[in-house]
Amino acid sequence: QVQLQESGPGLVKPSETLSLTCTVSGGSISSYYWSWIRQPPGKGLEWIGYIYYRGSTNYNPSLKTRVTISVDTSKNQFSLKLSSVTAADTAVYYCARMVYAMDYYYGMDVWGQGTTVTVSS
Amino acid sequence: EIVLTQSPGTLSLSPGERATLSCRASQSVDSSYLAWYQQKPGQAPRLLIYGASSRATGIPDRFSGSGSGTDFTLTISRLEPEDFAVYYCQQYGSSPDLTFGGGTKVEIK
Repeated sequence: QVQLQESGPGLVKPSETLSLTCTVSGGSISSYYWSWIRQPPGKGLEWIGYIYYRGSTNYNPSLKTRVTISVDTSKNQFSLKLSSVTAADTAVYYCARMVYAMDYYYGMDVWGQGTTVTVSS
Repeated sequence: EIVLTQSPGTLSLSPGERATLSCRASQSVDSSYLAWYQQKPGQAPRLLIYGASSRATGIPDRFSGSGSGTDFTLTISRLEPEDFAVYYCQQYGSSPDLTFGGGTKVEIK
């Protein structure tokens, strides 16, 4: 059974870079898309971006200038970097597996438990 | 840019009642790319429906999805105590590539 686990600092200073890693266990990172989603306190879900295991990426236009998502297939991990953070970036950050094949979207079927990141000095 | 608007914002119902949740898109969405999720407090979202109407693995048949074009519906035929949660629709494939609706909270009346 595939499981995802987010890891990274829970506190980031304003203007610095938020860095998170998602480790995939119980299965291979290959053949799937992998996504980052966040949820500010008391609010809804916001898609940040996704990466295909081969390295191609797609980002939310509202965050595109600040986001980098990368993948390390040898470690079965993918990562998120969000630069120049402000208090508005305070949120629970989730990683998730996206299933897309043959022009059909099967949804985000596996999620990490989420990690809380607070931006504060 | 496609915006997904969910209504109502909050639905107050009793266990055993039927819940009907709406997701309206600002532009037509390919039903193959429409999904629904359930989120309980302190938990990650859980995939319920993909392709607008296909239940994900392990999802009870009291959950059903329907719709096409700009109007999609999630129906819970008879609410169980564990179904009180927030529900999100999501589209994939139209600019921006992936968006979530604002959510509908189903609360106990």
